[in-house]
Amino acid sequence: EPEVTQTPSHQVTQMGQEVILRCVPISNHLYFYWYRQILGQKVEFLVSFYNNEISEKSEIFDDQFSVERPDGSNFTLKIRSTKLEDSAMYFCASSGTDTYNEQFFGPGTRLTVL
Amino acid sequence: QKEVEQDPGPLSVPEGAIVSLNCTYSNSAFQYFMWYRQYSRKGPELLMYTYSSGNKEDGRFTAQVDKSSKYISLFIRDSQPSDSATYLCAKAPGNTPLVFGKGTRLSVIA
Repeated sequence: EPEVTQTPSHQVTQMGQEVILRCVPISNHLYFYWYRQILGQKVEFLVSFYNNEISEKSEIFDDQFSVERPDGSNFTLKIRSTKLEDSAMYFCASSGTDTYNEQFFGPGTRLTVL
Repeated sequence: QKEVEQDPGPLSVPEGAIVSLNCTYSNSAFQYFMWYRQYSRKGPELLMYTYSSGNKEDGRFTAQVDKSSKYISLFIRDSQPSDSATYLCAKAPGNTPLVFGKGTRLSVIA
Protein backbone atom coordinates (compact mmCIF):
# COMPACT_ATOMS: atom_id res chain seq x y z
CA GLU A 1 0.00 0.00 0.00
CA PRO A 2 1.47 3.39 -0.96
CA GLU A 3 2.47 5.61 1.92
CA VAL A 4 4.06 8.94 2.71
CA THR A 5 7.62 8.65 3.96
CA GLN A 6 9.69 11.19 5.87
CA THR A 7 13.35 11.55 6.74
CA PRO A 8 14.99 11.85 9.14
CA SER A 9 12.82 10.41 11.88
CA HIS A 10 14.60 12.55 14.46
CA GLN A 11 16.69 15.67 13.93
CA VAL A 12 18.62 17.43 16.67
CA THR A 13 20.02 20.87 15.91
CA GLN A 14 21.42 23.92 17.60
CA MET A 15 19.40 27.12 17.78
CA GLY A 16 20.10 29.30 14.76
CA GLN A 17 21.01 26.42 12.48
CA GLU A 18 19.21 25.58 9.26
CA VAL A 19 17.35 22.30 8.92
CA ILE A 20 15.74 20.57 5.97
CA LEU A 21 13.02 18.03 6.54
CA ARG A 22 12.29 15.68 3.69
CA CYS A 23 9.15 13.94 2.53
CA VAL A 24 8.22 11.62 -0.30
CA PRO A 25 4.46 11.96 -0.89
CA ILE A 26 2.33 9.23 -2.42
CA SER A 27 3.37 9.08 -6.06
CA ASN A 28 0.17 10.07 -7.88
CA HIS A 29 -0.90 12.74 -5.39
CA LEU A 30 -1.16 16.37 -6.37
CA TYR A 31 -1.48 18.28 -3.10
CA PHE A 32 1.19 18.39 -0.43
CA TYR A 33 1.09 19.73 3.10
CA TRP A 34 3.23 20.31 6.13
CA TYR A 35 1.76 20.25 9.62
CA ARG A 36 3.41 20.41 12.99
CA GLN A 37 2.50 19.19 16.45
CA ILE A 38 4.16 20.60 19.53
CA LEU A 39 4.26 18.00 22.30
CA GLY A 40 0.87 17.71 23.97
CA GLN A 41 -0.82 20.11 21.58
CA LYS A 42 -2.97 19.74 18.52
CA VAL A 43 -1.83 19.22 14.95
CA GLU A 44 -1.47 22.62 13.25
CA PHE A 45 -1.35 23.43 9.56
CA LEU A 46 1.75 25.13 8.20
CA VAL A 47 1.56 25.21 4.41
CA SER A 48 -0.02 23.59 1.39
CA PHE A 49 1.56 23.20 -2.03
CA TYR A 50 0.00 22.53 -5.40
CA ASN A 51 1.19 22.87 -8.97
CA ASN A 52 4.67 23.86 -7.82
CA GLU A 53 3.62 26.75 -5.67
CA ILE A 54 2.31 27.51 -2.22
CA SER A 55 -1.49 27.51 -2.27
CA GLU A 56 -2.06 28.44 1.36
CA LYS A 57 -0.02 29.10 4.48
CA SER A 58 -0.73 29.77 8.13
CA GLU A 59 0.54 32.52 10.41
CA ILE A 60 3.14 30.09 11.74
CA PHE A 61 4.74 29.83 8.29
CA ASP A 62 6.79 33.00 8.39
CA ASP A 63 9.90 34.03 6.44
CA GLN A 64 12.00 31.49 8.31
CA PHE A 65 10.16 28.68 6.55
CA SER A 66 10.25 27.62 2.93
CA VAL A 67 9.08 24.63 0.93
CA GLU A 68 10.31 23.13 -2.26
CA ARG A 69 9.61 20.26 -4.60
CA PRO A 70 13.09 19.88 -6.08
CA ASP A 71 12.23 16.89 -8.24
CA GLY A 72 9.25 14.71 -9.10
CA SER A 73 9.21 12.84 -5.82
CA ASN A 74 10.57 14.88 -2.90
CA PHE A 75 8.90 17.66 -0.95
CA THR A 76 11.02 19.56 1.56
CA LEU A 77 10.48 21.97 4.43
CA LYS A 78 13.39 24.24 5.29
CA ILE A 79 13.70 26.23 8.50
CA ARG A 80 16.40 28.83 7.98
CA SER A 81 17.33 29.76 11.54
CA THR A 82 15.78 27.44 14.08
CA LYS A 83 14.40 28.65 17.39
CA LEU A 84 13.74 26.70 20.56
CA GLU A 85 10.00 26.96 19.92
CA ASP A 86 10.40 25.18 16.57
CA SER A 87 10.87 21.93 18.49
CA ALA A 88 7.94 19.76 17.44
CA MET A 89 6.87 16.82 15.33
CA TYR A 90 6.61 17.83 11.68
CA PHE A 91 4.23 15.84 9.52
CA CYS A 92 4.05 15.78 5.77
CA ALA A 93 0.75 14.86 4.14
CA SER A 94 -0.51 14.43 0.61
CA SER A 95 -3.85 14.15 -1.11
CA GLY A 96 -4.76 13.05 -4.58
CA THR A 97 -7.56 15.10 -6.04
CA ASP A 98 -9.57 18.24 -5.50
CA THR A 99 -12.80 16.32 -5.10
CA TYR A 100 -12.40 15.72 -1.42
CA ASN A 101 -9.71 16.25 1.11
CA GLU A 102 -8.60 12.76 2.11
CA GLN A 103 -5.10 13.48 3.35
CA PHE A 104 -2.56 10.80 4.20
CA PHE A 105 0.15 11.57 6.72
CA GLY A 106 3.73 10.45 7.02
CA PRO A 107 5.23 9.16 10.27
CA GLY A 108 6.74 12.55 11.11
CA THR A 109 10.12 14.03 11.89
CA ARG A 110 10.80 14.92 15.49
CA LEU A 111 12.79 18.15 15.51
CA THR A 112 14.64 19.05 18.69
CA VAL A 113 16.24 22.49 18.86
CA LEU A 114 18.81 22.92 21.63
CA GLN B 1 -13.90 31.08 18.91
CA LYS B 2 -12.43 27.59 18.62
CA GLU B 3 -13.36 25.96 15.31
CA VAL B 4 -13.19 22.34 16.42
CA GLU B 5 -13.74 21.19 19.96
CA GLN B 6 -13.07 17.77 21.32
CA ASP B 7 -13.04 16.43 24.87
CA PRO B 8 -9.38 15.53 25.52
CA GLY B 9 -10.23 12.69 27.90
CA PRO B 10 -8.57 10.49 28.90
CA LEU B 11 -11.31 7.98 28.31
CA SER B 12 -10.78 4.54 29.80
CA VAL B 13 -13.01 1.59 28.89
CA PRO B 14 -12.88 -2.19 29.35
CA GLU B 15 -12.12 -4.42 26.39
CA GLY B 16 -15.25 -5.19 24.38
CA ALA B 17 -17.02 -1.95 25.28
CA ILE B 18 -18.64 0.38 22.75
CA VAL B 19 -16.74 3.65 22.62
CA SER B 20 -18.29 6.97 21.64
CA LEU B 21 -16.02 9.86 20.69
CA ASN B 22 -17.45 13.27 19.86
CA CYS B 23 -16.57 16.57 18.25
CA THR B 24 -18.36 19.83 17.73
CA TYR B 25 -17.49 22.52 15.22
CA SER B 26 -18.42 26.13 14.80
CA ASN B 27 -17.86 26.97 11.13
CA SER B 28 -20.72 26.02 8.81
CA ALA B 29 -18.39 26.17 5.82
CA PHE B 30 -16.93 22.83 6.86
CA GLN B 31 -17.93 20.18 4.36
CA TYR B 32 -15.57 17.28 4.92
CA PHE B 33 -15.06 15.43 8.16
CA MET B 34 -12.40 12.93 9.09
CA TRP B 35 -11.35 10.81 11.99
CA TYR B 36 -7.67 10.06 12.47
CA ARG B 37 -6.04 7.73 14.96
CA GLN B 38 -2.65 8.69 16.36
CA TYR B 39 -0.43 6.44 18.38
CA SER B 40 2.12 8.07 20.65
CA ARG B 41 4.81 9.94 18.66
CA LYS B 42 3.45 8.66 15.33
CA GLY B 43 1.70 10.31 12.40
CA PRO B 44 -2.10 10.57 12.22
CA GLU B 45 -3.62 7.57 10.46
CA LEU B 46 -6.83 8.17 8.52
CA LEU B 47 -9.67 6.03 9.82
CA MET B 48 -12.75 7.45 8.16
CA TYR B 49 -13.92 10.43 6.19
CA THR B 50 -17.32 11.66 5.18
CA TYR B 51 -18.78 14.69 3.47
CA SER B 52 -22.43 14.32 4.24
CA SER B 53 -24.77 13.94 7.15
CA GLY B 54 -25.71 10.48 8.36
CA ASN B 55 -23.73 7.37 9.19
CA LYS B 56 -20.79 5.68 7.55
CA GLU B 57 -19.64 2.27 8.68
CA ASP B 58 -16.30 0.50 8.23
CA GLY B 59 -15.82 -2.70 10.19
CA ARG B 60 -15.97 -1.90 13.90
CA PHE B 61 -16.01 1.84 13.25
CA THR B 62 -19.02 4.06 12.54
CA ALA B 63 -18.77 7.78 11.82
CA GLN B 64 -21.87 9.88 12.32
CA VAL B 65 -22.34 13.46 11.15
CA ASP B 66 -25.12 15.81 12.15
CA LYS B 67 -24.61 19.04 10.22
CA SER B 68 -27.70 20.68 11.68
CA SER B 69 -26.21 20.57 15.17
CA LYS B 70 -22.54 20.69 13.98
CA TYR B 71 -21.76 17.46 15.78
CA ILE B 72 -19.72 14.46 14.63
CA SER B 73 -19.16 11.17 16.39
CA LEU B 74 -17.04 8.06 16.05
CA PHE B 75 -18.28 4.80 17.51
CA ILE B 76 -15.97 1.85 18.07
CA ARG B 77 -17.64 -1.51 18.65
CA ASP B 78 -15.98 -4.40 20.47
CA SER B 79 -13.07 -2.19 21.48
CA GLN B 80 -9.63 -3.80 21.70
CA PRO B 81 -6.47 -2.84 23.61
CA SER B 82 -4.91 -2.06 20.22
CA ASP B 83 -7.50 0.71 19.83
CA SER B 84 -5.74 2.59 22.64
CA ALA B 85 -4.60 5.81 20.97
CA THR B 86 -5.53 9.44 20.56
CA TYR B 87 -8.44 10.02 18.18
CA LEU B 88 -8.45 13.26 16.24
CA CYS B 89 -11.40 14.71 14.43
CA ALA B 90 -10.69 17.05 11.56
CA LYS B 91 -12.69 19.22 9.23
CA ALA B 92 -12.02 21.06 6.03
CA PRO B 93 -14.10 23.46 3.92
CA GLY B 94 -13.40 21.83 0.60
CA ASN B 95 -9.87 21.14 -0.57
CA THR B 96 -8.15 23.23 2.07
CA PRO B 97 -6.00 22.45 5.07
CA LEU B 98 -7.40 20.32 7.82
CA VAL B 99 -8.44 21.89 11.10
CA PHE B 100 -7.91 19.43 13.91
CA GLY B 101 -9.43 19.08 17.32
CA LYS B 102 -7.11 18.50 20.26
CA GLY B 103 -7.81 14.78 20.23
CA THR B 104 -9.34 12.37 22.74
CA ARG B 105 -7.00 9.93 24.42
CA LEU B 106 -8.56 6.47 24.66
CA SER B 107 -7.36 3.57 26.77
CA VAL B 108 -8.92 0.13 26.33
CA ILE B 109 -8.14 -2.05 29.31
CA ALA B 110 -7.79 -5.81 28.79
